[in-house]
Amino acid sequence: KAGVTQTPRYLIKTRGQQVTLSCSPISGHRSVSWYQQTPGQGLQFLFEYFSETQRNKGNFPGRFSGRQFSNSRSEMNVSTLELGDSALYLCASREGQGDEQYFGPGTRLTVT
Amino acid sequence: TQLLEQSPQFLSIQEGENLTVYCNSSSVFSSLQWYRQEPGEGPVLLVTVVTGGEVKKLKRLTFQFGDARKDSSLHITAAQTGDTGLYLCAGAEGGNQFYFGTGTSLTVIP
Repeated sequence: KAGVTQTPRYLIKTRGQQVTLSCSPISGHRSVSWYQQTPGQGLQFLFEYFSETQRNKGNFPGRFSGRQFSNSRSEMNVSTLELGDSALYLCASREGQGDEQYFGPGTRLTVT
Repeated sequence: TQLLEQSPQFLSIQEGENLTVYCNSSSVFSSLQWYRQEPGEGPVLLVTVVTGGEVKKLKRLTFQFGDARKDSSLHITAAQTGDTGLYLCAGAEGGNQFYFGTGTSLTVIP
């Protein structure tokens, strides 16, 4: 099976802009979780989608949003970008609840 | 917030040496995972432990889950340069949400 794929791998945006990141899970996996990773805060959970519904949400402002499509592919959107949003954004997929999760390579977002 | 503390935060050792990384929490987890992450890549799952007191071996890596399911350790025997990376533990709360540790950055010097 192909692994989790994320596009784009690298992105440079300006403060105030918005960005959309994409994640394609492993075939058959219905859960997609998004994480933000920074040197200072480590890996922090953003949200999880399961069968097109948000199942869990981390402690991030409303500028961070996501959605999942019927084919389980997921997108996350960040509006009104701030310098502090610069990070590696990771998505992880798993079959369902309680299963092991597998990560994609991440999207490196730089906000200038 | 379920906080997972890892120690040490940084570790630099010579090839061939042994090392242990610790992952501690005041919370009980239904399972715990260990990952290794290389620069610019996503974490790669190494192992999942689910039973208190469980010990799993993966070649030179030995993983242990504490009896109370609040802590875990990763022991590497005869470290190799290929072991270099960021080691992350993650606790699962009822299989729903994962809480990641603070990470241990390991450098193995040839």
